Amino acid sequence: AQSVTQLGSHVSVSEGALVLLRCNYSSSVPPYLFWYVQYPNQGLQLLLKYTSAATLVKGINGFEAEFKKSETSFHLTKPSAHMSDAAEYFCAVSEQAGTALIFGKGTTLSVSS
Amino acid sequence: KAGVTQTPRYLIKTRGQQVTLSCSPISGHRSVSWYQQTPGQGLQFLFEYFSETQRNKGNFPGRFSGRQFSNSRSEMNVSTLELGDSALYLCASRTGQGPSYEQYFGPGTRLTVT
Repeated sequence: AQSVTQLGSHVSVSEGALVLLRCNYSSSVPPYLFWYVQYPNQGLQLLLKYTSAATLVKGINGFEAEFKKSETSFHLTKPSAHMSDAAEYFCAVSEQAGTALIFGKGTTLSVSS
Repeated sequence: KAGVTQTPRYLIKTRGQQVTLSCSPISGHRSVSWYQQTPGQGLQFLFEYFSETQRNKGNFPGRFSGRQFSNSRSEMNVSTLELGDSALYLCASRTGQGPSYEQYFGPGTRLTVT
């Protein structure tokens, strides 16, 4: 069965610092991977998705993620954190039948001034 | 284009009661999925509907059911509520099926069971 592991339930950075949120997946076939962000009392917003077209995927709000098959990773990065980036981030993989998303446990990002 | 809307946003029910949650997808989206989000279990898939047919179901008891109407709007029903059903229920829609289609989520319905 496919699964997603997000390393670090909580990440704290200073404003202007690099953001790195880690995601590893398990899949026997090329996966479809997604990063979502959730702000308090809101639903999930899609940041970016990987569908094998390119290993470096650019998303909204300055975020990007790199697919590394050899490491089974899809880490999310942003060069310079902003206070408004404070939220919970979820990595997800689309299960093979294509209907359900399998989510990681989430990483809460805190940004301090 | 309007996003996914869910009603009501907040709900308080008593154990043993039943509840119905509603979801209106983005215009043109024919697929609607439901997810349960809790602090302990995280985000878990409940079911997906496409063209009024349930296409997939997650590992939840039969108390959880859903349906989709011809206009793609969907409802989710939970019967005989238990305390553990307290959660944020999220609805998501997308244009088609298949693993590459991204899902767009609504704001959720916060259900509290007392």
